[in-house]
Amino acid sequence: QVQLVESGGGVVQPGRSLRLSCAASGFIFSSYGMHWVRQAPGKGLEWVAIIWYDGSEEYYADSVKGRFTISRDNSKNTLYLQMNSLRVEDTAVYYCARVGGNVVYFDYWGQGTLVTVSS
Amino acid sequence: QSVLTQPPSVSAAPGQKVTISCSGSSSNIGNNYVSWYQQLPGTAPKVLIYDNNKRPSGIPDRFSGSKSGTSATLGITGLQTGDEADYYCGTWDSSLSVVIFGGGTKLTVL
Repeated sequence: QVQLVESGGGVVQPGRSLRLSCAASGFIFSSYGMHWVRQAPGKGLEWVAIIWYDGSEEYYADSVKGRFTISRDNSKNTLYLQMNSLRVEDTAVYYCARVGGNVVYFDYWGQGTLVTVSS
Repeated sequence: QSVLTQPPSVSAAPGQKVTISCSGSSSNIGNNYVSWYQQLPGTAPKVLIYDNNKRPSGIPDRFSGSKSGTSATLGITGLQTGDEADYYCGTWDSSLSVVIFGGGTKLTVL
């Protein structure tokens, strides 16, 4: 069965960096595009970034462009989100999700990992 | 403020029907597919509808989706208390090259 397991969350000071990972299993990881989506406490869903199945294209939300980098290692079945220059407003649960068909069909989601940016 | 507009809340009695609207523009809903997601308290979102009106395997036909012009609608019939959740629409915005979500709608089954 398809499984997505995020890790790497925690408490970090503003301006510091953090790298999230999403370990995928149960499907051919290299055949699927992948997203990161976040949700601030008590707020709605906010899309963060997408990477094509082969890593050839990436797109970012304006709120993270230039600070966050999405990447993948298809040999390790793992998706990453490198987060630099973190801000208090980046505090959220971060989910990875698989592209099911068109880019807005998120067919499987991980359980999420909490990132708290605080001094 | 989200680019896609959803009502903050809707409510209905068990067994009744409810619809949730999602309003956008020609750069997003008008020319791209819409998906709908259900988020139960404390859990990750789950897809209910994709490609405007398709249900993934395992999603009951009580859930339906439609799109007309620059708006989309999620319909839920035979409401159950277990349907109480937040619902989000999502689509691609061709002008911005980003995925966008609606602000979410909280469904209360009275």
